[in-house]
Amino acid sequence: DVKVTQSSRYLVKRTGEKVFLECVQDMDHENMFWYRQDPGLGLRLIYFSYDVKMKEKGDIPEGYSVSREKKERFSLILESASTNQTSMYLCASSYVLGGESSNQPQHFGDGTRLSIL
Amino acid sequence: KQEVTQIPAALSVPEGENLVLNCSFTDSAIYNLQWFRQDPGKGLTSLLLIQSSQREQTSGRLNASLDKSSGRSTLYIAASQPGDSATYLCAGGDSGGYQKVTFGIGTKLQVIP
Repeated sequence: DVKVTQSSRYLVKRTGEKVFLECVQDMDHENMFWYRQDPGLGLRLIYFSYDVKMKEKGDIPEGYSVSREKKERFSLILESASTNQTSMYLCASSYVLGGESSNQPQHFGDGTRLSIL
Repeated sequence: KQEVTQIPAALSVPEGENLVLNCSFTDSAIYNLQWFRQDPGKGLTSLLLIQSSQREQTSGRLNASLDKSSGRSTLYIAASQPGDSATYLCAGGDSGGYQKVTFGIGTKLQVIP
């Protein structure tokens, strides 16, 4: 079974802090994703990565950056945390089969509930 | 831009009932349609993925259908059980690029014993 592990289930930080959220997958997946989930808004894509050191902006990248130095690890960075970044953050990964990634399911971690005070 | 809608937002049924969850999308050029389950405070679990060339997929008591012309997908759950209680999300896959998907907000299902 695919295992996507997010380093923290709950995290409380202060406004202005630099925050790191870590995600590790154990299935050698090429694609990795960061989403945030808010009531009434659903899941929104922040960033995704299709290879080591490669990244693409999603729908709401402002205030965030990412790092993928190793294939199994994808980090989300809040450069200067603000209260409107309080949310549930979900990491996902997926496989590329024969160069085709669009028909492979995404596998999710359990999420990090982040509160910015 | 793809938009995905799920109605109703919440549904309550007695145990043993067969039920249908609905998902509609605006762009018929959808590449695939995924159904996920989310338990409270948890991540998403992939249930079924239907490719654009397919009309349905089945897994155990679950059956998902896709009708691109009408912009609709349904998830059929047979003989519902209390353990099926969760939020069910559908997500439309983009035809371009690296599996960008658009999620619906979900239908919260409660199966009453």
